[in-house]
Amino acid sequence: DTAVSQTPKYLVTQMGNDKSIKCEQNLGHDTMYWYKQDSKKFLKIMFSYNNKELIINETVPNRFSPKSPDKAHLNLHINSLELGDSAVYFCASSPRQGVTGELFFGEGSRLTVL
Amino acid sequence: DAKTTQPPSMDCAEGRAANLPCNHSTISGNEYVYWYRQIHSQGPQYIIHGLKNNETNEMASLIITEDRKSSTLILPHATLRDTAVYYCIVRATAGNMLTFGGGTRLMVKP
Repeated sequence: DTAVSQTPKYLVTQMGNDKSIKCEQNLGHDTMYWYKQDSKKFLKIMFSYNNKELIINETVPNRFSPKSPDKAHLNLHINSLELGDSAVYFCASSPRQGVTGELFFGEGSRLTVL
Repeated sequence: DAKTTQPPSMDCAEGRAANLPCNHSTISGNEYVYWYRQIHSQGPQYIIHGLKNNETNEMASLIITEDRKSSTLILPHATLRDTAVYYCIVRATAGNMLTFGGGTRLMVKP
């Protein structure tokens, strides 16, 4: 069983389109995250949700809107895609916030904006 | 969270120990040292973490200096599958945000 799963794994789209990436974790964790890894391979935190509530929003443009329907899911919707949004997006989860820094990451979703 | 400094790349012979250093001279008393690795085209994977004492698990050992200003991750018998980017991160007990730096690209060679 995959602990943290993301779909789609690859996404190619045109500038200006709207797209979503889904994430699900079956670990029973309370906290979920979205990270972005750009072409230079730096991993940057975007959002953190704890029990469906937004905890961290690291100055991400409004075009990015995370949605957590329940604590096992954290989806990322991106409006009006730009070339600079091309990156690999990683979802992650961890047990209760503040308890541990052990994060479980998904395999990533590679977004290419043309 | 304190900043960390790691060499950008290292090589290691297969079967030998890989010793990956990390400097975190501004670490605070409540900050843990975490190590993650990212194998090509995969998500980061947790390896080990520690506060003051040395730690060992099935993957690696973590040696933290007495002044806590640096640490070393040891892979006792490196294999080709250990080729990856290794990230050293310091994180306070409050909050789960992990800030990844550039890491060390470890190449294990036959």
